[in-house]
Amino acid sequence: DADVTQTPRNRITKTGKRIMLECSQTKGHDRMYWYRQDPGLGLRLIYYSFDVKDINKGEISDGYSVSRQAQAKFSLSLESAIPNQTALYFCATSETGTGGGETQYFGPGTRLLVL
Amino acid sequence: AQTVTQSQPEMSVQEAETVTLSCTYDTSESDYYLFWYKQPPSRQMILVIRQEAYKQQNATENRFSVNFQKAAKSFSLKISDSQLGDAAMYFCAYQPFGGYQKVTFGIGTKLQVIP
Repeated sequence: DADVTQTPRNRITKTGKRIMLECSQTKGHDRMYWYRQDPGLGLRLIYYSFDVKDINKGEISDGYSVSRQAQAKFSLSLESAIPNQTALYFCATSETGTGGGETQYFGPGTRLLVL
Repeated sequence: AQTVTQSQPEMSVQEAETVTLSCTYDTSESDYYLFWYKQPPSRQMILVIRQEAYKQQNATENRFSVNFQKAAKSFSLKISDSQLGDAAMYFCAYQPFGGYQKVTFGIGTKLQVIP
């Protein structure tokens, strides 16, 4: 079984709809991240959480919100989807380290299309 | 703010040959980490190699090695004896030293391996 899972894998929605992307992990990591991938723009950080009680905005958090329901679960919501949120979304986890350099473990991604 | 630049959107290499992917970064930090991540067509991102800036020795992982030039802020990835399974998008990434630092990714280089 995959260590980091994302649901759904693909989603088509309409402008104005609220949708939630879910991420679960069995790695026991405290740190979780949501990234967005667009062609020509690479991966950009949306939100991150260093532990269950910690939520931080990334570089492109506008239009998104997150919920850290447990150590293993980190959900991303689009409150009112718009077409320019069409992208590939990745969840990732990492161990807690004192100096950095930890490997990030990624889920398989969710391809979202907003019509 | 730190930036990571990958100036080669696409590269190609003949099977069994060697290819080098370029990455430059901008930072005022003296201690940091650099990474190369691979994203195959399956979309699953995995870590290829990691370099700690305070280590002068270039990191190596089997057929993958880096050329880390700290003064030039350059971090290239060399793939030797290229295989068909190396075909993927490769992302260079940077993380400052410290326990609560984010990772910044480049836009990626798509590598094609020609049989």
